[in-house]
Amino acid sequence: NAGVMQNPRHLVRRRGQEARLRCSPMKGHSHVYWYRQLPEEGLKFMVYLQKENIIDESGMPKERFSAEFPKEGPSILRIQQVVRGDSAAYFCASSPSGGGGEKLFFGSGTQLSVL
Amino acid sequence: QQQVKQSPQSLIVQKGGIPIINCAYENTAFDYFPWYQQFPGKGPALLIAIRPDVSEKKEGRFTISFNKSAKQFSLHIMDSQPGDSATYFCAASMQTGANNLFFGTGTRLTVIP
Repeated sequence: NAGVMQNPRHLVRRRGQEARLRCSPMKGHSHVYWYRQLPEEGLKFMVYLQKENIIDESGMPKERFSAEFPKEGPSILRIQQVVRGDSAAYFCASSPSGGGGEKLFFGSGTQLSVL
Repeated sequence: QQQVKQSPQSLIVQKGGIPIINCAYENTAFDYFPWYQQFPGKGPALLIAIRPDVSEKKEGRFTISFNKSAKQFSLHIMDSQPGDSATYFCAASMQTGANNLFFGTGTRLTVIP
């Protein structure tokens, strides 16, 4: 049973470009969470999605960031017009059921570098 | 603000030593307290977790001690090994009404052979 798959592992973008990060949850998991990790800091919650629905986006910046989890295919975290401050590791996690933090399985992350 | 405070930031112990990592929280609505282990280039992996109805939980060489009145919990690693060298994160969440984990800032543990 494959774990949570994230790609790409590393993504380099110039300021003003768009970044698309993909996450395929574990088989049987319909709940996806995105977290951001800045250097020397813990992970910060961004958004929680179920298939075709955003359940909680309280951690998402109001502008330039969006997320989706379509009926078919991976969840996508999209960052438009990236700035240097967006450089971070972005982790996706999935769980078989929502609520709280139980049974969260994390992917290996996407390291975004903005030049 | 930081919902979960973690210390120390880094820790070096000899093989066989017992590193202790401490966390504190303010929100009394938290009722689930996991610890995650993260190796370089990898995502965090759940190590052990506790609920506030018990004061201690042990799984293998890893033990969580929980002090509800002080709103503190800690991770102890018995007979530490070089393979335990990693970054450890404590976290907290509410099982109802919230959908996210609040993480501490992490402790980088190095176990010297």
